[in-house]
Amino acid sequence: AQSVTQLGSHVSVSEGALVLLRCNYSSSVPPYLFWYVQYPNQGLQLLLKYTSAATLVKGINGFEAEFKKSETSFHLTKPSAHMSDAAEYFCAVSNSGGYQKVTFGIGTKLQVIP
Amino acid sequence: DAGVIQSPRHEVTEMGQEVTLRCKPISGHDYLFWYRQTMMRGLELLIYFNNNVPIDDSGMPEDRFSAKMPNASFSTLKIQPSEPRDSAVYFCASRPTPPGLHGYTFGSGTRLTVV
Repeated sequence: AQSVTQLGSHVSVSEGALVLLRCNYSSSVPPYLFWYVQYPNQGLQLLLKYTSAATLVKGINGFEAEFKKSETSFHLTKPSAHMSDAAEYFCAVSNSGGYQKVTFGIGTKLQVIP
Repeated sequence: DAGVIQSPRHEVTEMGQEVTLRCKPISGHDYLFWYRQTMMRGLELLIYFNNNVPIDDSGMPEDRFSAKMPNASFSTLKIQPSEPRDSAVYFCASRPTPPGLHGYTFGSGTRLTVV
């Protein structure tokens, strides 16, 4: 079985501050990990994905995530928050190279304070 | 490309009525997924198809839910009869093989309210 746990359903940061969204995974096999973003009234968009190549993965909009096997973590970071980053972020895991079954976390709503 | 197209965007129906949600995947994508999103349970995979064939429907909550994919460009999710607890946002997503750079492409969702 595979699962992800996102710590903190709501995170608030000031504009220009570091963004850190936490995700821990559980998987019986080497996982494929993803971060998706959802803006209001829209579907999810892929930010980045880890597929067992480099452990530090760079995504769109300045986000990156680091795969740490020892900590079973895949936290999402961005050095400087922008107002447009306000959205809901989902961590997800698949144990299949074809990503047929992707399990999503409950989501973290990011608020950016001016 | 117009992306994954879902209709309707919003649906309000009375308990006991039949509801049909529609999805047009991206042309050339051979996988199609139906997800349900609620505050309590987050995103749940209901069913997915490969080349129009249902592969795994273990997430379908009960027999009131059914999904079809009669051809590569159209899928439906039907709820009959609908109940208030079915109120949620239903997303359709598609992806090609191999998955490519973008993973799944999600539609904008159908917000279903059953009163």
